[in-house]
Amino acid sequence: DIVMTQAPLSLSVTPGQPASISCKSSQSLLHSDGKTSLYWYLQRPGQSPQLLIYEVSNRFSGVPDRFSGSGSGPDFTLKISPVEAEDVGVYYCMQSLQLPWTFGQGTKVEIK
Amino acid sequence: QVQLQESGPGLVKPSQTLSLTCTVSGASISGGSYYWTWIRQPAGKGLEWIGRMYTSGNTNYNPSLKSRVTISVDTSRNQFSLKLSSVTAADTAVYYCARVTATFDQYYMDVWGKGTTVTVSS
Repeated sequence: DIVMTQAPLSLSVTPGQPASISCKSSQSLLHSDGKTSLYWYLQRPGQSPQLLIYEVSNRFSGVPDRFSGSGSGPDFTLKISPVEAEDVGVYYCMQSLQLPWTFGQGTKVEIK
Repeated sequence: QVQLQESGPGLVKPSQTLSLTCTVSGASISGGSYYWTWIRQPAGKGLEWIGRMYTSGNTNYNPSLKSRVTISVDTSRNQFSLKLSSVTAADTAVYYCARVTATFDQYYMDVWGKGTTVTVSS
């Protein structure tokens, strides 16, 4: 299985400031089609996860442009700038290059 | 818009079979290049992918659960189902169904149900 490792596991951010979450995969997520199978989800408190970013850096429909994804190979980053109060929750990276699909442990973002 | 809703017993006895159904509304479960998937989340923990199904009936399961899992579809009811046999307390979790958009070989869950809590206890 591909292991996804996130850091930090928790983050406390002042509104208006930036936040960054790292995700590392145990192997490359580059598909033979040239795309990278790395996705970011946000699970707000009491809600189901929602897709934020697909294929490393593409914002899903309706996702604000303060969310951005980057990275390649085994190292990926989700940046939120500036953080707003509604961004609280747990952020997960996920790979769908190889079955079984696997998620990172999650990064809990809180607002100071 | 497309909506998914999980349903099923909230309490299952150890060694019995957990059975959940996901009802899809707003679109045909047979239409488009979609897979349908189940994911679970123990309380306070992360997400675990259980398995996926294409509308042709082809399925793939997480090897960690493969011997106990069956995912099936009922196109006449626009539903797909999860069965997990021989459950233990470790199977206690919130179970989510989700639609998977498949673009060539890229897959992501873009529509999720609200989740249903299943507790395994005698």
